[in-house]
Amino acid sequence: GESVGLHLPTLSVQEGDNSIINCAYSNSASDYFIWYKQESGKGPQFIIDIRSNMDKRQGQRVTVLLNKTVKHLSLQIAATQPGDSAVYFCAETSNSGGYQKVTFGTGTKLQVIP
Amino acid sequence: DSGVTQTPKHLITATGQRVTLRCSPRSGDLSVYWYQQSLDQGLQFLIQYYNGEERAKGNILERFSAQQFPDLHSELNLSSLELGDSALYFCASSPSGQGLGYTFGSGTRLTVV
Repeated sequence: GESVGLHLPTLSVQEGDNSIINCAYSNSASDYFIWYKQESGKGPQFIIDIRSNMDKRQGQRVTVLLNKTVKHLSLQIAATQPGDSAVYFCAETSNSGGYQKVTFGTGTKLQVIP
Repeated sequence: DSGVTQTPKHLITATGQRVTLRCSPRSGDLSVYWYQQSLDQGLQFLIQYYNGEERAKGNILERFSAQQFPDLHSELNLSSLELGDSALYFCASSPSGQGLGYTFGSGTRLTVV
């Protein structure tokens, strides 16, 4: 079946360095992708999204890259800060029976080393 | 505060019991989604309601049921609880049924002992 997965379950990054979190998806029909950040004890929080007609989108300190050829999504965080420590989920949406189906990946834990 | 309210925040109950989790969506949102998150696991979609009607079903057990009321709040009922049902249960809402513009609540942590 369709799935969304992450290559690295845990990522440790030095404070100030850039972080790259990767995500692979298998449903080529997915047309919208979202990255969420989940801090300990809290619900997932929207970070950035990208539609399938784009290959790059930038936000504040974050950039999402989409490579539809290899079905790969990445989240880049510039100048990583301790407050970025969290679990990051990618999600893909696709049309399923006339409705949008959202599938979340397992998540990558980002640990920022001070 | 995301605008999505979930109660209770914590719940401890015994096996075999039944509990009800409550979710109030963000003002103006018509769609409510329920997710289960076990320890160090991803979000497993359970069920979605849109304006009072069931819209989509995921990996929801037959022991679990949900509904959305006319005021748009939703309840997730978990019965005959097992130890493996211990998890975080999240509710999310969106303006439409299209799964876009998700806003999550802070979750209910259920512990079955």
